[in-house]
Amino acid sequence: QSALTQPASVSASPGQSITISCTGTSSDVGGYNYVSWYQQHPGKAPKLMIYDVSYRPSGVSNRFSGSKSGNTASLTISGLQAEDEADYYCSSYTTSSTLVFGGGTKLTVL
Amino acid sequence: QVQLQESGPGLVKPSETLSLTCAVSGHSINSGYYWGWIRQPPGKGLEWIGSIYHSGTTYYNPSLKSRVTISMDTSKNQFSLNLSSVTAADTAVYYCERQSSTVATENWGQGTLVTVSS
Repeated sequence: QSALTQPASVSASPGQSITISCTGTSSDVGGYNYVSWYQQHPGKAPKLMIYDVSYRPSGVSNRFSGSKSGNTASLTISGLQAEDEADYYCSSYTTSSTLVFGGGTKLTVL
Repeated sequence: QVQLQESGPGLVKPSETLSLTCAVSGHSINSGYYWGWIRQPPGKGLEWIGSIYHSGTTYYNPSLKSRVTISMDTSKNQFSLNLSSVTAADTAVYYCERQSSTVATENWGQGTLVTVSS
């Protein structure tokens, strides 16, 4: 299985919005609404931010939102804050009953 | 509050078997959910290793399938990872995790670094 495709890095200023894309195939992202997004700060375990494409776990800020169109899922963060600077990973269920991750995107808040 | 804690050797020799255990508290592992392992080589991204359902059914990353075994010990409320014939490429932080039915990882262990070196 091939990793999902994410941009290596994105950057924006505080208060702005950014969108991170996650592109797969019809065998993973496009075939199921089982896309998740994780935030990882250096030296820490990842944290679930979005599940099932667009749902936020309890306690996650509503500045984080998810969507999907075809084989591409997206994570949008609005009103960027310094604490949002982190690595972000998407993941998806696949037709082989396995899980695949994206390569990760480093978000820099300028 | 579910908590997961990895344990095992931090150093493994090449060609040997890497063995880790994840102790779970706050939830019985035979009461639903998927329980699995994810790893992250230093400075690199996340890689799913595999999962075990509470029924005992296992699911593995095809690229690792020939070397991986995940098992459960319900009497101790823990599950384990065995990865055989390791090489330096298996050096990584290994996380144990609990997944929902839609494969979202809701809970993570703190991670344990395993180095493969002679």
